[in-house]
Amino acid sequence: DAGVTQSPTHLIKTRGQQVTLRCSPKSGHDTVSWYQQALGQGPQFIFQYYEEEERQRGNFPDRFSGHQFPNYSSELNVNALLLGDSALYLCASSLGPHPGEQYFGPGTRLTVT
Amino acid sequence: GQQLNQSPQSMFIQEGEDVSMNCTSSSIFNTWLWYKQDPGEGPVLLIALYKAGELTSNGRLTAQFGTTRKDSFLNISASIPSDVGIYFCAGGTQGGSEKLVFGKGTKLTVNP
Repeated sequence: DAGVTQSPTHLIKTRGQQVTLRCSPKSGHDTVSWYQQALGQGPQFIFQYYEEEERQRGNFPDRFSGHQFPNYSSELNVNALLLGDSALYLCASSLGPHPGEQYFGPGTRLTVT
Repeated sequence: GQQLNQSPQSMFIQEGEDVSMNCTSSSIFNTWLWYKQDPGEGPVLLIALYKAGELTSNGRLTAQFGTTRKDSFLNISASIPSDVGIYFCAGGTQGGSEKLVFGKGTKLTVNP
């Protein structure tokens, strides 16, 4: 049973650049949520995708955008990177929109210099 | 916005001891989830709770959904060294498959 996978594992970018992170959900799941986790903090909800649409969004600027593909995989795009965007980006999948648990991938560590 | 207060922030215990941690909120949640995160990895789901008052166990772990829907508790019995990590509570809205709100975590250290 394939779990949630994310790529790349680590990424180093320069301020002002753009980045794309990728996520494949757990087998059988159709909903993908993205979270940002700063050092020493709990994950913060960015947005959720279901049926290739953004269903809900957290308190993040429009520089953060996403996409979900027909195979349920998802991308997170961040434009005009700021130093403060350095964090662990986590993808979680679930069988939604019904009540259920979210399963996390290993994350992508983004460092902005 | 919604916030979860998780306590204690950290715990240092001896192997074999029992552990209790809790999570409180000013908002009502429909779902409470408990996760464990090891360094450099994503959170791993331990227990999910769906009803106020519900008590659920997973091996040595037991969690409860508070009757007010504003809190939850996690107990670990007979701790072992591999219990070391950061434990997060998360509250779910709309049945839990949408936005999760996380606490700041409880860092557990187990001395052998």
